[in-house]
Amino acid sequence: QSVLTQPPSVSGAPGQRVTISCTGSSSNIGAGYDVHWYQQLPGTAPKLLIYGNSNRPSGVPDRFSGSKSGTSASLAITGLQAEDEADYYCQSYDSSLSGSHVVFGGGTKLTVL
Amino acid sequence: QVQLQESGPGLVKPSQTLSLTCTVSGGSISSGGYYWSWIRQHPGKGLEWIGYIYYSGSTYYNPSLKSRVTISVDTSKNQFSLKLSSVTAADTAVYYCARWGVAGNFDYWGQGTLVTVSS
Repeated sequence: QSVLTQPPSVSGAPGQRVTISCTGSSSNIGAGYDVHWYQQLPGTAPKLLIYGNSNRPSGVPDRFSGSKSGTSASLAITGLQAEDEADYYCQSYDSSLSGSHVVFGGGTKLTVL
Repeated sequence: QVQLQESGPGLVKPSQTLSLTCTVSGGSISSGGYYWSWIRQHPGKGLEWIGYIYYSGSTYYNPSLKSRVTISVDTSKNQFSLKLSSVTAADTAVYYCARWGVAGNFDYWGQGTLVTVSS
């Protein structure tokens, strides 16, 4: 299982707001490491959606927002559109006895109803 | 605009070594400031970080794969490579190369290449 825990799926109707959670622990998110989010459309490579917990790269609509608190982070999508249907992944860094390394969440499939 | 492109065999036999190369264009690996990474995605599954390399040759690997992974860089060709030894069917995946910045995120990705391990 993944070091970062995400719900396997979420859904919402067009125009609605959905949130995707990413739960970690004291060795990753809780240790102060930033959380980043990626969107993966079917058959394509992941695309950076949110970096540094809450920052959007150029070109990403402000419908997408991120936040972080304690050992968790969240991605919120407002004004849901059909084109938002994709898999979403959170990513951070983990430092433990086994070593320090990049970690991903298991991914969340967003279905637009 | 930085672009990355994976290349290599799409089929590898069990127990052999998987070898992939990532060619970077639109930017120089030697300019520094970034780590050059490999990430894989098993069919229908999530993302798994394999490791990354700095232009100087410093490498960092996923502890779960460390014993089988070697990442190298060729700055003269603006390429970096992945070798994964003793592969099994469990190594069948889409392999991506990506750029990792000091901000801790992957900002540019290759399109990915499917590698199947089968006899």
